[in-house]
Amino acid sequence: SQQGEEDPQALSIQEGENATMNCSYKTSINNLQWYRQNSGRGLVHLILIRSNEREKHSGRLRVTLDTSKKSSSLLITASRAADTASYFCATLSNDYKLSFGAGTTVTVRA
Amino acid sequence: DGGITQSPKYLFRKEGQNVTLSCEQNLNHDAMYWYRQDPGQGLRLIYYSQIVNDFQKGDIAEGYSVSREKKESFPLTVTSAQKNPTAFYLCASSTKGDTEAFFGQGTRLTVV
Repeated sequence: SQQGEEDPQALSIQEGENATMNCSYKTSINNLQWYRQNSGRGLVHLILIRSNEREKHSGRLRVTLDTSKKSSSLLITASRAADTASYFCATLSNDYKLSFGAGTTVTVRA
Repeated sequence: DGGITQSPKYLFRKEGQNVTLSCEQNLNHDAMYWYRQDPGQGLRLIYYSQIVNDFQKGDIAEGYSVSREKKESFPLTVTSAQKNPTAFYLCASSTKGDTEAFFGQGTRLTVV
């Protein structure tokens, strides 16, 4: 079974709008990471948040982490057509196992 | 250039044959990972290794084998025991622990 589960599975938004996706996980973690995948390619790292952090920003990305609820959210502000991709959360456990969720497919309409 | 390289990009295998996928990194990373991705699905962990000569099973290790004889190399063998091997395989590496993972561009394996 997968450690992380993203919600929603798919998201369609207009260019300029914000996109929010959520990730829930099951076991304790060292850190949580978000990745982007364009169709048929490898994954690109977006942002990492450690278990003792609650919020982190990087450009148009904002990530929150609530370890008590075992959940995280990724917000992409002012979306662009180039943001169209699949987004995955990944958790690093204390034994260095890096596990991914099923992903959220984001489509940004021009 | 530093990076992680998977080869080949496309691979065709006959049923009943073993096949080995290559993953090489020159980033001096300790940790390496193998994932399988099916169409429209997330990544499922096959095997991972934190140090040379040591590796651990992931969530779907049955029908796969790995070796970690060198720090820079983590080949994956898809054996004939893997009942449904057609998939996209991704390799990743990271410094041990608390940092981002870097991914290769993947190998698309098709059983014919």
